[in-house]
Amino acid sequence: ETGVTQSPTHLIKTRGQQVTLRCSSQSGHNTVSWYQQALGQGPQFIFQYYREEENGRGNFPPRFSGLQFPNYSSELNVNALELDDSALYLCASSPLGAGSSYEQYFGPGTRLTVT
Amino acid sequence: GENVEQHPSTLSVQEGDSAVIKCTYSDSASNYFPWYKQELGKRPQLIIDIRSNVGEKKDQRIAVTLNKTAKHFSLHITETQPEDSAVYFCAAVEGGADGLTFGKGTHLIIQP
Repeated sequence: ETGVTQSPTHLIKTRGQQVTLRCSSQSGHNTVSWYQQALGQGPQFIFQYYREEENGRGNFPPRFSGLQFPNYSSELNVNALELDDSALYLCASSPLGAGSSYEQYFGPGTRLTVT
Repeated sequence: GENVEQHPSTLSVQEGDSAVIKCTYSDSASNYFPWYKQELGKRPQLIIDIRSNVGEKKDQRIAVTLNKTAKHFSLHITETQPEDSAVYFCAAVEGGADGLTFGKGTHLIIQP
C-alpha cells in the first residue's frame, strides 16, 4: 500500500506569483482534502475533492483553487500570493467521501515561503 | 461553523506517568473525532479516533473518551514514554464533505 505523497517538498515564491502544489492519494482512496498549517497552529481546511469536483470548502478566498484527476491525485493552485500564504500545505486522502466521515491520512506537506 | 478548543497548550509529565488532553467542540452535529500526533517537521499521524455512537475507545496505551452531552472529548496516554513527545491535535467534523476542524494543539513533553 502506497501512502500519501506530495511535491515539491519546499518552495520559495515572490508575492504576487502563482504556485501549484501536487498530491497523490493513498492507494484505494478517492477523496482528497487540502489544509494550510501556519507555524504553531493546527491545520485549517481549504477544500475537499471527490469525483473530480470540489465537495466542500473552508474559509479561503477564490484565489485558492484545485483540481482532482481521474487517478484521484490532486493539485492546489494559489494565485496572487501574499506573505500570509507562507505555511505548510498538507493534503490528506480518505477512502470514501460525500457524506461520510472517514479517516484522513496526511502527506508530508509542502513548505511554501512567500517573500 | 465548528469551533474546537484544546487544553492545555503545553503539558509536561514524568516518564511513566499518564497524560490527558481535553477538547471541546461547538457543533452538536459533529460525529467524528480523530486525534493526530505531529512530530517536529513531520506529517500529522492519525493515532486514534472515535465516532459519536461510542463513548470510549482504547488502543494499547492510548484511549479516547467522548461526552456528547457536554460536547467534549479527551485523549488519555498511560505509561508515557520519551517517544510520546510531540504535538497532539484533536479535531471534529460533521460530515464527509466538511473538512476537519482542528484544535490549536498540545505540546506534550515527556521528562526522563
